[in-house]
Amino acid sequence: SAVISQKPSRDICQRGTSLTIQCQVDSQVTMMFWYRQQPGQSLTLIATANQGSEATYESGFVIDKFPISRPNLTFSTLTVSNMSPEDSSIYLCSVRLGETQYFGPGTRLLVL
Amino acid sequence: AQSVTQLDSQVPVFEEAPVELRCNYSSSVSVYLFWYVQYPNQGLQLLLKYLSGSTLVKGINGFEAEFNKSQTSFHLRKPSVHISDTAEYFCAVTQGPGAGSYQLTFGKGTKLSVIP
Repeated sequence: SAVISQKPSRDICQRGTSLTIQCQVDSQVTMMFWYRQQPGQSLTLIATANQGSEATYESGFVIDKFPISRPNLTFSTLTVSNMSPEDSSIYLCSVRLGETQYFGPGTRLLVL
Repeated sequence: AQSVTQLDSQVPVFEEAPVELRCNYSSSVSVYLFWYVQYPNQGLQLLLKYLSGSTLVKGINGFEAEFNKSQTSFHLRKPSVHISDTAEYFCAVTQGPGAGSYQLTFGKGTKLSVIP
């Protein structure tokens, strides 16, 4: 399995600002993913971030709004830009090891 | 493409009673199946998975699930629940070996409430 940590664990932000979420894994992994979980909802994949290549975004998510960095095999960041209250969600980092995905504890974001 | 249907959004059950959380999937290729649990204010924790082999898989905390290919189901069961099992449970599917896609598709979740 993998041990994944995220920073910050939670934050309250003002609309129009940006927040960068960090994800650290205890082993080297090729495939990392970022998910959003809106209140009372299931998980939606934002993008896949592979080291050494541009992130691949899912329909409905764009790089200008959710820029992602993947500087090495153990670390990634997701930025939520120009935030609005609709961005209030839990953001989860995930990695794939073999056939299984493991998830971080999530970042709980509230936008006022 | 694949999809997952969790048939119950909420399941209340008394402590020490058995529980079954239902999950059906749809896919045109072979699949891997997972159950994750999300305790209040926490991330997702892998409960169990089916990759191949025995159709009855055992996971953590006394949970088990049975893969039924003919009924395209992967129901989660526990013979006797505890208060600490109160959480949201997500069924998920990804394409199996050689399919070329790693995308994990989630169901909408089932909230299990254990009543003392």
